[in-house]
Amino acid sequence: DAGVTQSPTHLIKTRGQHVTLRCSPISGHKSVSWYQQVLGQGPQFIFQYYEKEERGRGNFPDRFSARQFPNYSSELNVNALLLGDSALYLCASSFSPHSGANTEAFFGQGTRLTVV
Amino acid sequence: AQSVTQPDIHITVSEGASLELRCNYSYGATPYLFWYVQSPGQGLQLLLKYFSGDTLVQGIKGFEAEFKRSQSSFNLRKPSVHWSDAAEYFCAASGNTPLVFGKGTRLSVIA
Repeated sequence: DAGVTQSPTHLIKTRGQHVTLRCSPISGHKSVSWYQQVLGQGPQFIFQYYEKEERGRGNFPDRFSARQFPNYSSELNVNALLLGDSALYLCASSFSPHSGANTEAFFGQGTRLTVV
Repeated sequence: AQSVTQPDIHITVSEGASLELRCNYSYGATPYLFWYVQSPGQGLQLLLKYFSGDTLVQGIKGFEAEFKRSQSSFNLRKPSVHWSDAAEYFCAASGNTPLVFGKGTRLSVIA
């Protein structure tokens, strides 16, 4: 069974551009979360979607947006890219909305975004 | 605010030596606790998790962790480190909320 898949694996963009990152969850998982991991730091929560509805949002500007499709895959969009947006973007899928009793988040390999 | 602290940024151990990575949390109630490992350029792999019950939790790759409520700690241990254990280790917590991660501890293993 395939794990969480993210595309693309690497991406280079110019400041001011827009980027779309994609994530396919594990089959049967209805929840997708996005995390930003800046070099040398732990992952920071950006968004969480469950059953196609936004269930949580971290402390990120409105330039960041996301959505979840009927097949539970998800997109993360970032507008007006800044140098500080350079990071590894991780997608996690789980059966239920949040990591808790008898559930866990499975992470993809991430998309490495470099803004120049 | 909910937070997870990993006091050690970088630890170097000899192959075959024992290992302990520290993790402290600050939460309103006892959260669910996790340890993840990340190899360079890779995603996160779950090593073990604590939800309730026995405070000593066994995980994959020979790792274990002990939950100590009185110290708000969840330290990761391994009795004998292998060179392949060199990676970044993240402690995380969740109270039926999104995961909150520590900043990580980088483990180097020397011969």
